[in-house]
Amino acid sequence: DQQVKQNSPSLSVQEGRISILNCDYTNSMFDYFLWYKKYPAEGPTFLISISSIKDKNEDGRFTVFLNKSAKHLSLHIVPSQPGDSAVYFCAAKTSQGAQKLVFGQGTRLTINP
Amino acid sequence: GAVVSQHPSWVICKSGTSVKIECRSLDFQATTMFWYRQFPKQSLMLMATSNEGSKATYEQGVEKDKFLINHASLTLSTLTVTSAHPEDSSFYICSAEGLAGGRSEQFFGPGTRLTVL
Repeated sequence: DQQVKQNSPSLSVQEGRISILNCDYTNSMFDYFLWYKKYPAEGPTFLISISSIKDKNEDGRFTVFLNKSAKHLSLHIVPSQPGDSAVYFCAAKTSQGAQKLVFGQGTRLTINP
Repeated sequence: GAVVSQHPSWVICKSGTSVKIECRSLDFQATTMFWYRQFPKQSLMLMATSNEGSKATYEQGVEKDKFLINHASLTLSTLTVTSAHPEDSSFYICSAEGLAGGRSEQFFGPGTRLTVL
């Protein structure tokens, strides 16, 4: 039962354009969502997060949008840079009980010069 | 701040041997650490939650007798893969729970690549 889904395994974007990565979830108890960036053979590094009380959070080039009714979130990167090429994971958790993160399958983003 | 290390970064072992992986929070104390496994091109799957001074909580389908977890101090958790087999070959990642901006966050280690021959 995949509670967090990233349906696009890969995405290719031209440098300078906007990258949009999508994530869907099924568990309505999730109330905190995070995006991580991961390079091969390294652990994930935190990028940006959003609480369910918000519908948008922005940090520099990165913006996360949350649509609770659709159980959908997206990460926008603009402008995209070659250094953004990595695998991006969305993750979700509930504020109740154990602080377990549930990860999506990841989307490999490639920024073309 | 909030640095998590893992040792070793990679290990190759023979089938049937045991391998211990260490996870350390270097500049903060973590009462809770998590162990994940990632197979190629797949998601990070939580294996177990490790609480300092108590038994780990394993996720469904994870054999606790095969994956021994010890969290003896607030800065160290170990995962021992006992009697490893080729199907245990994977990328093992730990995380430690700490505070960031007044909120609880997980900080991830760099991972350990285990290859069982």
